[in-house]
Amino acid sequence: GESVGLHLPTLSVQEGDNSIINCAYSNSASDYFIWYKQESGKGPQFIIDIRSNMDKRQGQRVTVLLNKTVKHLSLQIAATQPGDSAVYFCAEILYGGSQGNLIFGKGTKLSVKP
Amino acid sequence: NAGVTQTPKFQVLKTGQSMTLQCAQDMNHEYMSWYRQDPGMGLRLIHYSVGAGITDQGEVPNGYNVSRSTTEDFPLRLLSAAPSQTSVYFCASSFGQDPQQFFGPGTRLTVL
Repeated sequence: GESVGLHLPTLSVQEGDNSIINCAYSNSASDYFIWYKQESGKGPQFIIDIRSNMDKRQGQRVTVLLNKTVKHLSLQIAATQPGDSAVYFCAEILYGGSQGNLIFGKGTKLSVKP
Repeated sequence: NAGVTQTPKFQVLKTGQSMTLQCAQDMNHEYMSWYRQDPGMGLRLIHYSVGAGITDQGEVPNGYNVSRSTTEDFPLRLLSAAPSQTSVYFCASSFGQDPQQFFGPGTRLTVL
């Protein structure tokens, strides 16, 4: 994931617009890449994952794109709603020696304007 | 199912005190883990367990102990609290190596 920092990147979008949240990951050997959503005062919630041998996966209103050439992961949210306001974390998993532990990026705060 | 539960929700300690953060899950998950989250940062792995009786260190294990005597419970012990351990602590669980981990609501710990 992204290097740790003190300030979260922020993204502000209008309700109904599409949102794109980006993440640069560090380990090209990771097996899975995952997006989590964290609302204020709550624990992270799984959104969607993508296996390393795929480049796109779609869920309900969300699409994850994986570009292994530049080690880049993105989450696209269609028709963004106020309930989508949260901090979004990308994470990666490398199986084998690390026993499938999540490595988190620092997060992006999404604010949806009504 | 209650999912992953954590107690307490909030805790204030003085430097040098010890305490145990509780975590339980009722989904029969083999894998459980503890993370800490500091302001403006992602989650960092403290300890994890792949099954009852098996634990291992994560990225930031110093000052913390864990044990896993049952599948359901995975307590985190602070041996001698320090101000640097002020953080929000999250417990998570999953089926084996499933990338979808379920997180508890967190414990907000302040060490004075």
